[in-house]
Amino acid sequence: IQMTQSPSSLSASVGDRVTITCRANQTISSYLHWYQQKPGKAPKLLISGASTLQSGVPSRFSGSGSGTDFTLTISSLQPEDFATYYCQQSYISWWTFGQGTKVDIK
Amino acid sequence: EVQLVETGGGLIQPGGSLRLSCAASGLTVSSTYMSWVRQAPGKGLEWVAIIYSGGNTYYADPVKGRFTISRDNSKNTLYLQMNSLRAEDTAVYYCGRGSSDYVDYWGQGTLVTVSS
Repeated sequence: IQMTQSPSSLSASVGDRVTITCRANQTISSYLHWYQQKPGKAPKLLISGASTLQSGVPSRFSGSGSGTDFTLTISSLQPEDFATYYCQQSYISWWTFGQGTKVDIK
Repeated sequence: EVQLVETGGGLIQPGGSLRLSCAASGLTVSSTYMSWVRQAPGKGLEWVAIIYSGGNTYYADPVKGRFTISRDNSKNTLYLQMNSLRAEDTAVYYCGRGSSDYVDYWGQGTLVTVSS
């Protein structure tokens, strides 16, 4: 299953609302998860099952969607949110990731 | 506190073999789902393999038949045996704990470089 994220990169300011889209080339129900990765660090799970916020993750992060189209939204971008974000599907046992969306400072 | 520490990375020639280890604390590897995910330099994430608590294993096609995921319950350690290594296997390899769907705890990663 191929996962396509858009945009590949974006520039935003602190306080901006940011939306990242992830599209699957076939239906994956809600088997979609979002990770944040900062340079030189391991990824961090933000959202599982398309919309379930992980413990300790700020409520400014939210996820939505089902089927083939999914969205990660950051309601008010904070300095610590500048990172690369990946979606990942687990509809089939061979997991696949999106190519990533880099969020940097405008 | 969950901790995962990968070791075993390094420089290896094409066609060679390497075994990665992931020592776990704060969790029992035999009781959960453990995965390997890799990241080539400057590239995105690529899932490699998973071992279920029941022992079932699954692999990504690019590594199937060359890599083997296993665990040693007595040492509470996860392994990735990598054979017939290729240049395209060069990456940071992360081990992780999670579910059959995702990884929620990650190690710090170990770099494998396949080059002559």
